[in-house]
Amino acid sequence: SQELEQSPQSLIVQEGKNLTINCTSSKTLYGLYWYKQKYGEGLIFLMMLQKGGEEKSHEKITAKLDEKKQQSSLHITASQPSHAGIYLCGAARNTDKLIFGTGTRLQVFP
Amino acid sequence: EAGVTQSPTHLIKTRGQQATLRCSPISGHTSVYWYQQALGLGLQFLLWYDEGEERNRGNFPPRFSGRQFPNYSSELNVNALELEDSALYLCASTKRGGVSNQPQHFGDGTRLSIL
Repeated sequence: SQELEQSPQSLIVQEGKNLTINCTSSKTLYGLYWYKQKYGEGLIFLMMLQKGGEEKSHEKITAKLDEKKQQSSLHITASQPSHAGIYLCGAARNTDKLIFGTGTRLQVFP
Repeated sequence: EAGVTQSPTHLIKTRGQQATLRCSPISGHTSVYWYQQALGLGLQFLLWYDEGEERNRGNFPPRFSGRQFPNYSSELNVNALELEDSALYLCASTKRGGVSNQPQHFGDGTRLSIL
């Protein structure tokens, strides 16, 4: 099984709707990163969360880290077509690499 | 500030050939990471270079190798190419200190196709 599981795997929402993506770890989370990827392209860094209970927002995207639950959530408010893509969570298990989640494919239709 | 740059964008090879992929990190970054993103397999860690040294490698065979140059740019070499090597290869960079407290910044990748 994957160390980082994301849910849902795929999400199709109407423009303007809110949505939440979850990332659950099988091990304690010491730091959690959220990235967005357009199909076949590189990863765009969104947010870094390091402390339990930490919450960060950028434009219409909010991410939270719940260390006790070994979980993080990414919430998008009033979704837009520009939010479409693949969202990936990543966790640093040590200093040298990130372990990535399985990814959530988001489609936003008008 | 220029981001992480990778070349070529696309590379088409046949089985048994060798491929060389290149990466230039963000100015001021000394660590370079390579990842493979194959269809259906997600992002898999390949190699980490820091200050010219290979610091760690993922669970890949020895025909995947690389190096880091004095200017901190890096090459990924894949020998004896196999069909399952077809993937998007992503390079990322950070300042010194690893990834536990700073994000990796990624390039747009090189898509390697094996015929």
